[in-house]
Amino acid sequence: KQEVTQIPAALSVPEGENLVLNCSFTDSAIYNLQWFRQDPGKGLTSLLLIQSSQREQTSGRLNASLDKSSGRSTLYIAASQPGDSATYLCAPLFSGSARQLTFGSGTQLTVLP
Amino acid sequence: EAGVAQSPRYKIIEKRQSVAFWCNPISGHATLYWYQQILGQGPKLLIQFQNNGVVDDSQLPKDRFSAERLKGVDSTLKIQPAKLEDSAVYLCASGQSYEQYFGPGTRLTVT
Repeated sequence: KQEVTQIPAALSVPEGENLVLNCSFTDSAIYNLQWFRQDPGKGLTSLLLIQSSQREQTSGRLNASLDKSSGRSTLYIAASQPGDSATYLCAPLFSGSARQLTFGSGTQLTVLP
Repeated sequence: EAGVAQSPRYKIIEKRQSVAFWCNPISGHATLYWYQQILGQGPKLLIQFQNNGVVDDSQLPKDRFSAERLKGVDSTLKIQPAKLEDSAVYLCASGQSYEQYFGPGTRLTVT
C-alpha cells in the first residue's frame, strides 16, 4: 500500500525563522510530487510541483527538494512570516495510479509575530 | 483563467437527510476528482472521472454516495442518507495532465 507521512504534524516558530517540513513516501516510482497549502476552511492551493526527473523547485521564499530513491521530499520556507501560517500537504503522484494523488496528513504551521 | 468552482460552501444537515454538492471544473479539463477531507487528515479520493466516464470509484461508499458528471463538464456528488461520520470538507479538483487544481471545498456538518 502506498503511504505518505508528514513530520512534524504541527510546528510553531517565531517570525523570521527558516524552517523545513518533511514528507516521506513508501514507493519511489512517482511521476511528480506536489506541495499544497491549505488555510482553515479553504481549499488547496498548489505551491510547487516537482517532476520525478527534478531535484528541486523554487518559488519565492519556498524551495522544495525531491530524493526519489529514498522516498523523501522537503519544503524549505525562508524567513517565515505570520501569513505563512497554514497546513502544508504533500502529495506524490505514484506511477500506475491513474493520475491519483496520495496525500499525507499535513503539517500545521503557526508563525508567531 | 477561472478556477474550480464549488457550491455550496457550507451545509448543515441532520443525519438521515440528503445533500448534494456541485462542481464546475476548469474549462477544458478532462479529469475531475471528488475528495473527502476529515478534520486533521489529508484528502481521500472518492471518485475520479475522465470526461463523463468513471475511472475509479473504489473508495466511494456506494450504499449512500453517488456522483455523476454531466456531459463531461459539471459534476454533482450526493449523499443519501447522511451519517454523522460524513461530516467533512468535500473537495473537487480538475486536471488536464499530471497536475490537479482544487476548488474551495464544501464544509458539511451532519448533526
